[in-house]
Amino acid sequence: TQLLEQSPQFLSIQEGENLTVYCNSSSVFSSLQWYRQEPGEGPVLLVTVVTGGEVKKLKRLTFQFGDARKDSSLHITAAQPGDTGLYLCAGAEGNKLVFGAGTILRVKS
Amino acid sequence: EAQVTQNPRYLITVTGKKLTVTCSQNMNHEYMSWYRQDPGLGLRQIYYSMNVEVTDKGDVPEGYKVSRKEKRNFPLILESPSPNQTSLYFCASSLYPGANTDTQYFGPGTRLTVL
Repeated sequence: TQLLEQSPQFLSIQEGENLTVYCNSSSVFSSLQWYRQEPGEGPVLLVTVVTGGEVKKLKRLTFQFGDARKDSSLHITAAQPGDTGLYLCAGAEGNKLVFGAGTILRVKS
Repeated sequence: EAQVTQNPRYLITVTGKKLTVTCSQNMNHEYMSWYRQDPGLGLRQIYYSMNVEVTDKGDVPEGYKVSRKEKRNFPLILESPSPNQTSLYFCASSLYPGANTDTQYFGPGTRLTVL
């Protein structure tokens, strides 16, 4: 099973700040997904990136897939308390999804 | 409403007492899967099923069983639970596993404690 490493593990910032979280692997994935999970709930899909170099935007969130399809980043502009949660990346490996350990984000008002 | 449901949401049990966690989806999805989530380890797949009567091991299948007798249901069975199976469990379903645009829909989770 391929491994996905996420960094940082924890991030605590003030409302209005920008941040970037990273998802890295030594292996190539056919696609990569980002999920957000709130306490007491299951993960919810935010985006899927498929093409190397692809950039997708979802309001204040920008997702990028590395040219070699081994890494991805999530950038949040002007973070808000509602962005607080666990952010997980997941790579498609055959019929399975391989998940990273996640980044816990806390946005303070 | 399209959803994945799990029951129970919380369970405290003792070592060796068989238990079943149910999972049901109403989206007519072919693919269903069970994960466990532990701090620092992320989500790890236990078992998955591509269709009725077809199940396969994930990354951490030891100590677990599953069945897929109907398309909508995918129960997780712990025949003899042990404390190292204390975890947060998620069931998920999707339409086209392995497709680049596939979306997995997760249930709300079952927090299991084995004493």
